[in-house]
Amino acid sequence: KQEVTQIPAALSVPEGENLVLNCSFTDSAIYNLQWFRQDPGKGLTSLLLIQSSQREQTSGRLNASLDKSSGRSTLYIAASQPGDSATYLCAVRGAGNNRKLIWGLGTSLAVNP
Amino acid sequence: NAGVTQTPKFRVLKTGQSMTLLCAQDMNHEYMYWYRQDPGMGLRLIHYSVGEGTTAKGEVPDGYNVSRLKKQNFLLGLESAAPSQTSVYFCASSYAGGPETQYFGPGTRLLVL
Repeated sequence: KQEVTQIPAALSVPEGENLVLNCSFTDSAIYNLQWFRQDPGKGLTSLLLIQSSQREQTSGRLNASLDKSSGRSTLYIAASQPGDSATYLCAVRGAGNNRKLIWGLGTSLAVNP
Repeated sequence: NAGVTQTPKFRVLKTGQSMTLLCAQDMNHEYMYWYRQDPGMGLRLIHYSVGEGTTAKGEVPDGYNVSRLKKQNFLLGLESAAPSQTSVYFCASSYAGGPETQYFGPGTRLLVL
């Protein structure tokens, strides 16, 4: 059974720091992995989607990497800003016939000015 | 484009009452989903639909019913609300169920007393 774990559960950093959020999964047979952002009282916004054949994806200051064999993904945020404060969720889609999304619990990020 | 909208934003019910949550999307997406989000549990799929007139069960379907009479709308019904259904409910849609990302609504907070 696929399990997705995100560490740390919460993170507080000063503005300008580069930071890494971690996501690990137990079954390497995945179709893709996605990183989402959730702001308080709001829905989720997709940030990056990495297919199982890819190693990384970049969007602006965000870079997500995927190491399927070790069951790990990282979300790198460069030069963090207070506007980056949110909860970041990782979701893994299974391969084969089981294509459902399995979600991590998220990392709550606070970037302090 | 409004994207994915949800009605209502917040609701308080008494045990045993019924209600319907409405989700609407204007992106002509085929797939629509209902999730619930609870502290320490992550997002869990309740029901989903792969097209107009179709519905299917997700991980936690008990106590809920859904209907997809029109492509743009996906309704989630609670026939007899229970305190265990206190949660934040998110609707999402996607063009297809595979590699495409899901677009989320802002959520409905439901409190069952």
